[in-house]
Amino acid sequence: DQQVKQNSPSLSVQEGRISILNCDYTNSMFDYFLWYKKYPAEGPTFLISISSIKDKNEDGRFTVFLNKSAKHLSLHIVPSQPGDSAVYFCAASGGFNSGNQFYFGTGTSLTVIP
Amino acid sequence: GAGVSQSPSNKVTEKGKDVELRCDPISGHTALYWYRQSLGQGLEFLIYFQGNSAPDKSGLPSDRFSAERTGGSVSTLTIQRTQQEDSAVYLCASSIPTSGRFRQYFGPGTRLTVT
Repeated sequence: DQQVKQNSPSLSVQEGRISILNCDYTNSMFDYFLWYKKYPAEGPTFLISISSIKDKNEDGRFTVFLNKSAKHLSLHIVPSQPGDSAVYFCAASGGFNSGNQFYFGTGTSLTVIP
Repeated sequence: GAGVSQSPSNKVTEKGKDVELRCDPISGHTALYWYRQSLGQGLEFLIYFQGNSAPDKSGLPSDRFSAERTGGSVSTLTIQRTQQEDSAVYLCASSIPTSGRFRQYFGPGTRLTVT
């Protein structure tokens, strides 16, 4: 059973506009969340993370929002750039309480149109 | 290099043959993970090493899959009697666990094709 879900397999956005990628999780023990970005033929690279003690974390153009009551997180990219075109994975962990295992979503392919 | 490396980058094998996939983690990273990504799927957890021991083998799909790690460094994932459903990209990641709040550094993956 998929504990982390990304229900949108793809998203297209015009350059300069906001990209919003969504992720839902089912396990209330998860308390640490990450977003990874993946280009073709490369491994995922870390983008941004958030701990459950926060509801927002910002790093430049990237902001992650966490809604614990809804078990939902989102990644906002503003402004979107063509180089942001990639597959984005969200991941969740309960830390040592979940054996240090990370659960990944199926990914959302973002295309930023110049 | 400074990153996680994996070899081979691509492997084509015939059904029924055994394959070995190698992962060199970042020096000093004590945790090592194997995942696989099948077409259209997310990253599926396979196994996790802390040092040379594997506290969590729950993700291994069958007894045809095994993994070992030696010297707290290099890890090998072995698939015996490969099947077509084993075709996937196998990704390795390493990290330094600190209080369970850490990020993983991924290698480029090995694309396995079983014909």
